[in-house]
Order: sequence, then C-alpha cells, then structure tokens
Amino acid sequence: NAGVMQNPRHLVRRRGQEARLRCSPMKGHSHVYWYRQLPEEGLKFMVYLQKENIIDESGMPKERFSAEFPKEGPSILRIQQVVRGDSAAYFCASSPSTQSNTGELFFGEGSRLTVL
Amino acid sequence: QKEVEQDPGPLSVPEGAIVSLNCTYSNSAFQYFMWYRQYSRKGPELLMYTYSSGNKEDGRFTAQVDKSSKYISLFIRDSQPSDSATYLCAISGGYQKVTFGTGTKLQVIP
Repeated sequence: NAGVMQNPRHLVRRRGQEARLRCSPMKGHSHVYWYRQLPEEGLKFMVYLQKENIIDESGMPKERFSAEFPKEGPSILRIQQVVRGDSAAYFCASSPSTQSNTGELFFGEGSRLTVL
Repeated sequence: QKEVEQDPGPLSVPEGAIVSLNCTYSNSAFQYFMWYRQYSRKGPELLMYTYSSGNKEDGRFTAQVDKSSKYISLFIRDSQPSDSATYLCAISGGYQKVTFGTGTKLQVIP
C-alpha cells in the first residue's frame, strides 16, 4: 500500500516562474492537507482539501498561491511568480475521513522548492 | 501568543539517557495531542497520540498530557542513536487541522 506520494522531490525555479507541486494521497484517503516548513519555524498549515472542495485555506497566502484536489488525479499546490521567500519544504498529508478527528496525518516525503 | 510553544533545543544526550521533550499550548479547546517524529529530509510520522490527561506508554515512549496546565510531554527511555530526529508536538481541535510546534532536534550520542 503506497504512502503519500509527492513530486517533484526537488524543484528549482527562478524568480517570477511558476511552481507546481503534486500530491497523491494514500489509497482510500479523501482528505489532503498542505503544510510548509521553513527552518526554525516548524510546519505551518496552508490548506485542507477534500475532493473538488477547499475546506480550509486559512493558512494560504492571499496572493500567488492556490490549491486544488480534482475529482481525478493528484492534489496540486500552485505558486505563481515565485519569490525567494517561497523557498521551503512543502509537505502534503492525507487522512481517511473526519469521523476519526484524531489529527493522525500521513505525510509524504515533501517537495523542496528553491527559488534562485 | 503562538498556539503551541515548544522548547527549541537542540538537545544532545548520551545513549541510554532519559529524554524529556515538552510543549505548552494556549487554547483549552484542543482535544487531541500528538507527537510526530521527523528524520532529516523526510516527512513527519506519527509517534504517539493521546486524547485525555494522563500518561500513555508505547514501548520506550511515554506521552503525558496535563490539560489543567496546558502542558504536554514526551519521554524517551533508554534513548538510542536511532532516536536522533526532530520531534514535533501537535494539537488538534477535533477537526483535522493540526497545529504543530516548531520541533526539538534531538541527537543521541553513542
């Protein structure tokens, strides 16, 4: 049973370019979360999605960032016009449902974005 | 005030030592308390989860929650070099937005 799959693992972009990070949740999981991790700052919640719905995007920057989880295919975190401050590790996590509201999340290995 | 405060570390201990990791939180509405372990360049993995005040033991690991003082702890007995990692406390309010502490980097020296 494959875990949460993220790609690319490493991504290098120049300022002003777009970055697209993809996440396939664990089989049977319908909830996806994106977190950003900066050195010395821990994991910061960005967005929580279910299939075709954004449930909570309170952690998403107001501009340039967007996320989707289509009916078919992986969840995508999109960063437009990247700036150096966007350099970070972006982690995707999935969970089976909200019925077991325990906070147990299954994380991928992360996508490390470097903006030159 | 941050929702979760965690001792920054880093923490370096000799093999076999007892390790104590701690966090405080600010919102009494939080109901679920977790510890995640993150190895370098890897994603976090759930180590311990607890709901109520008190202790929960799993092998060499004990999670402790004191809701009255909003304090959570993780104890590692007989620490091993393989325990060297960053430990993140995490809290949840009952819907699955999970808030993490900044993490404590632990190094166990052989």
